[in-house]
Amino acid sequence: GNSVTQMEGPVTLSEEAFLTINCTYTATGYPSLFWYVQYPGEGLQLLLKATKADDKGSNKGFEATYRKETTSFHLEKGSVQVSDSAVYFCALSDTDTGFQKLVFGTGTRLLVSP
Amino acid sequence: DTEVTQTPKHLVMGMTNKKSLKCEQHMGHRAMYWYKQKAKKPPELMFVYSYEKLSINESVPSRFSPECPNSSLLNLHLHALQPEDSALYLCASSQEGGLIGGYTFGSGTRLTVV
Repeated sequence: GNSVTQMEGPVTLSEEAFLTINCTYTATGYPSLFWYVQYPGEGLQLLLKATKADDKGSNKGFEATYRKETTSFHLEKGSVQVSDSAVYFCALSDTDTGFQKLVFGTGTRLLVSP
Repeated sequence: DTEVTQTPKHLVMGMTNKKSLKCEQHMGHRAMYWYKQKAKKPPELMFVYSYEKLSINESVPSRFSPECPNSSLLNLHLHALQPEDSALYLCASSQEGGLIGGYTFGSGTRLTVV
């Protein structure tokens, strides 16, 4: 079945450092890919998305490019802030069953210190 | 209105109690979802309603009973739960083409079963 693999966390960075969180996927067909962010005690918020190969999703300084050749969707940010501390989930749309379903990775916790 | 509203935010219930979780959206989305999230884990799909009809039930125990009274509301009725059912319960919604736009999540109900 379809699956998403994320790098283990936590990722610990100083403010203004460069961020990369790796995400690779296994899927049949052409899924859409998403990054969601979850702040402590809250639900998930859609951060960015890409619906086809070579698409770049971007939002709030975060970017990710849909790479079909490497089956990857790595999340990047040039300069992180303390307020970016959260758990980040990579996800893909799964339509193997004909229904709409999101498959999540295990999440990567980001800790940014001043 | 671009939000999914969940009530209550916190719930503590005994194993013999009956309670309900509520979810509401006014974005015109025709698919609604219940997810369960244990601590430090990704969300796990429980149920999907599409056009107010149950389209996915991920083998969830019968002590969880979903209900979709109309296109804006989604309930989750709880009865005779176990302590291991303690978790964050997330509601989400999407347009018919949720594969493209992703899901909008509520902030969740944190459930504790005692």
